[in-house]
Amino acid sequence: DTGVSQDPRHKITKRGQNVTFRCDPISEHNRLYWYRQTLGQGPEFLTYFQNEAQLEKSRLLSDRFSAERPKGSFSTLEIQRTEQGDSAMYLCASSFENTEAFFGQGTRLTVV
Amino acid sequence: AQSVTQLGSHVSVSEGALVLLRCNYSSSVPPYLFWYVQYPNQGLQLLLKYTTGATLVKGINGFEAEFKKSETSFHLTKPSAHMSDAAEYFCAVSIDNQGGKLIFGQGTELSVKP
Repeated sequence: DTGVSQDPRHKITKRGQNVTFRCDPISEHNRLYWYRQTLGQGPEFLTYFQNEAQLEKSRLLSDRFSAERPKGSFSTLEIQRTEQGDSAMYLCASSFENTEAFFGQGTRLTVV
Repeated sequence: AQSVTQLGSHVSVSEGALVLLRCNYSSSVPPYLFWYVQYPNQGLQLLLKYTTGATLVKGINGFEAEFKKSETSFHLTKPSAHMSDAAEYFCAVSIDNQGGKLIFGQGTELSVKP
């Protein structure tokens, strides 16, 4: 297993456009997490899935953000009508049940 | 509610010197605690974790941390710094003791001088 994989690694988009990121977790992991990290800060929890069910969403996750994990495997995070404040590193992590999380390399989003 | 405070946003040591990165936490339940390392434009790599049991935890790359309940601390140490240790280090506490739901500190950037 090559670990948690995220695509793309970098994304530059114009304000107002929609973007979608993909995360492929470690294959035997049933939990998947999304985090956002802005420059100079620690990552902040956004949402998590157990299998295909989205169990929790942070208040940070505005209505413009939506995440899915349709078959309990890969996950997508979509941001609609992007704003400059959405510029950040978006990190995906996975775990097996309640054990420690393993992180992907992240997707760096720049909104211009 | 849980929280994490990392004392010192930047620490500089000489190669071969002791590394000490400080972390204090707040938790209403016995905490699960983690240290992660992040290299530039990379994701986070788990260095070590404390859940229950032995309070001195050994991790990868020669790092270790000690859980001190009385001081609500989980400081990270390494006896001898190497140039390759230069990176950003994050302390984290799990939310409701779920391993992947984490609250992170603001991070400490470690520089290693030759």
